Amino acid sequence: DTAVSQTPKYLVTQMGNDKSIKCEQNLGHDTMYWYKQDSKKFLKIMFSYNNKELIINETVPNRFSPKSPDKAHLNLHINSLELGDSAVYFCASSRPGSGDPTGELFFGEGSRLTVL
Amino acid sequence: GQNIDQPTEMTATEGAIVQINCTYQTSGFNGLFWYQQHAGEAPTFLSYNVLDGLEEKGRFSSFLSRSKGYSYLLLKELQMKDSASYLCASMDSNYQLIWGAGTKLIIKP
Repeated sequence: DTAVSQTPKYLVTQMGNDKSIKCEQNLGHDTMYWYKQDSKKFLKIMFSYNNKELIINETVPNRFSPKSPDKAHLNLHINSLELGDSAVYFCASSRPGSGDPTGELFFGEGSRLTVL
Repeated sequence: GQNIDQPTEMTATEGAIVQINCTYQTSGFNGLFWYQQHAGEAPTFLSYNVLDGLEEKGRFSSFLSRSKGYSYLLLKELQMKDSASYLCASMDSNYQLIWGAGTKLIIKP
């Protein structure tokens, strides 16, 4: 069974459209994250959720909104897509909350978003 | 500011040893992580160091010097499947991971 799964894996869309990426983890972890990896390969955290509460928001544009119906799911909705949003988006989870220093992350396979 | 530096690319020969260096500057420090990322795949955890010294795990070892803000990942008996990007990440005082851009390791036969 896949530990962290996200869909779709590939997404090609036009500027101005709205799209969502879904993520689910079956590890029983308390914290889930969304990361953006751009063409320069930097991993940048966008959001993290701990027990359905947003605990980090790294000043991403309001067009990005995370939604967590329960602690096993963290979806990412993007409004009015722009060219600069093209990247690979990774969902991840970790067992403890952000206060645990071991903090090993388990990543999903990534969703490659291309905005035309 | 917070910063992680690691070489962009390295090349090594199958069967050899390679050391990937990482220097970090973060607001506080709660540990240093190494992740491996194959092209088109998700990063996977390799190691975590929070105390000075060398941690060995099979063919891979990771070293940390907190006073120098320095870590390295040592890969022995290189195999072709070790061709990947290796990401260094430091956990700051808020337990947030600050990531380097990764070192692309190319293994030649």
